[in-house]
Amino acid sequence: GQQLNQSPQSMFIQEGEDVSMNCTSSSIFNTWLWYKQDPGEGPVLLIALYKAGELTSNGRLTAQFGITRKDSFLNISASIPSDVGIYFCAGHREGQNFVFGPGTRLSVLP
Amino acid sequence: DGGITQSPKYLFRKEGQNVTLSCEQNLNHDAMYWYRQDPGQGLRLIYYSQIVNDFQKGDIAEGYSVSREKKESFPLTVTSAQKNPTAFYLCASSIAGVSGSYGYTFGSGTRLTVV
Repeated sequence: GQQLNQSPQSMFIQEGEDVSMNCTSSSIFNTWLWYKQDPGEGPVLLIALYKAGELTSNGRLTAQFGITRKDSFLNISASIPSDVGIYFCAGHREGQNFVFGPGTRLSVLP
Repeated sequence: DGGITQSPKYLFRKEGQNVTLSCEQNLNHDAMYWYRQDPGQGLRLIYYSQIVNDFQKGDIAEGYSVSREKKESFPLTVTSAQKNPTAFYLCASSIAGVSGSYGYTFGSGTRLTVV
């Protein structure tokens, strides 16, 4: 099946730092989503992107739909302890289910 | 409040037993999904249903079964044929299935452990 790659796999940052992560694919997608999963809970939708080049913000989070339509990026500014969790990207093409990446595990050190 | 409810939160199964995980949604969503998540891994699709009385296998359907008798409900049975059932199971729903790019709403998950 289709594969999404997420980078980095995991990251440890200091509280207050900015975070960048990305999601890449060998296939073109028409929609990109970013989810966050807290430990022991289900993923929660953070940002949805529907157009190549689109840049969308949700509070301290900013995501971009890559121009090639094969990638997407998520940035978190001024990280806080509650940002800890796993961040998943998901891509969609017409006629298919969403494909999920393996996730980036974020740890925030006080 | 509308949402998607999974129960139980924790489930223990003996070897050779079948167990059923419940998933109920009151979002009036047409499509429902079951995913399996193993430690440090992403989400793998088990089964999905785009309409009542119809469902399709996902990437790892072996050892699992589902039913979709009502729009609101999509229970998952983990059968004794599933060799390694210990995992975190997530149910999700969306307004439309493969025909739409609407995001999925996830439940809070069921952690199944074989003892």
